[in-house]
Amino acid sequence: DAKTTQPPSMDCAEGRAANLPCNHSTISGNEYVYWYRQIHSQGPQYIIHGLKNNETNEMASLIITEDRKSSTLILPHATLRDTAVYYCIVRAISGNTGKLIFGQGTTLQVKP
Amino acid sequence: GAVVSQHPSRVICKSGTSVKIECRSLDFQATTMFWYRQFPKKSLMLMATSNEGSKATYEQGVEKDKFLINHASLTLSTLTVTSAHPEDSSFYICSARVLGLAKNIQYFGAGTRLSVL
Repeated sequence: DAKTTQPPSMDCAEGRAANLPCNHSTISGNEYVYWYRQIHSQGPQYIIHGLKNNETNEMASLIITEDRKSSTLILPHATLRDTAVYYCIVRAISGNTGKLIFGQGTTLQVKP
Repeated sequence: GAVVSQHPSRVICKSGTSVKIECRSLDFQATTMFWYRQFPKKSLMLMATSNEGSKATYEQGVEKDKFLINHASLTLSTLTVTSAHPEDSSFYICSARVLGLAKNIQYFGAGTRLSVL
């Protein structure tokens, strides 16, 4: 699976959009970008995933660059409850064991 | 999304005892479940892949005789930490994979905090 690079930490003001970048320059054509987050002392939570088109759901939007070498997770109106570690993971959807390998992620601190 | 239940949420035990942690998929069947361990301020580390009806696949460096995994049904996987010692104290998290239309998404339990005295 392709390696990802994320900034170790970010701050965001409550109510503002949080934009979390992820670099995955070695991504393969059959690999998707997944985002999970982990709020302190809880299990990770699935947020969103995408292949090449931008995706949006009730939690967030995922913007993937045209060359697919990077992506941005957008939380449109961050709240204090969005404070968490956000993980960007790249992996193929099929033909593998299904396991997720977590990097260090980005610690997002939403401030009042 | 799908629900994964993990029990217990917290356990304190004496050194030398064994501890069993259960992971259940509540509203879907999971042929594959995963077990992770997380130390304070660290990321999740995959320990093993639990396969229904067959032996678990352990990651390099994880002792299979120390961490026994059983996946006897499509909704239940268990992790038993045998002869626990203080260095086994950690946050253990399970996940289950939803296939098909859900595009291979994994859903996680709330975790079990193990403290070995």
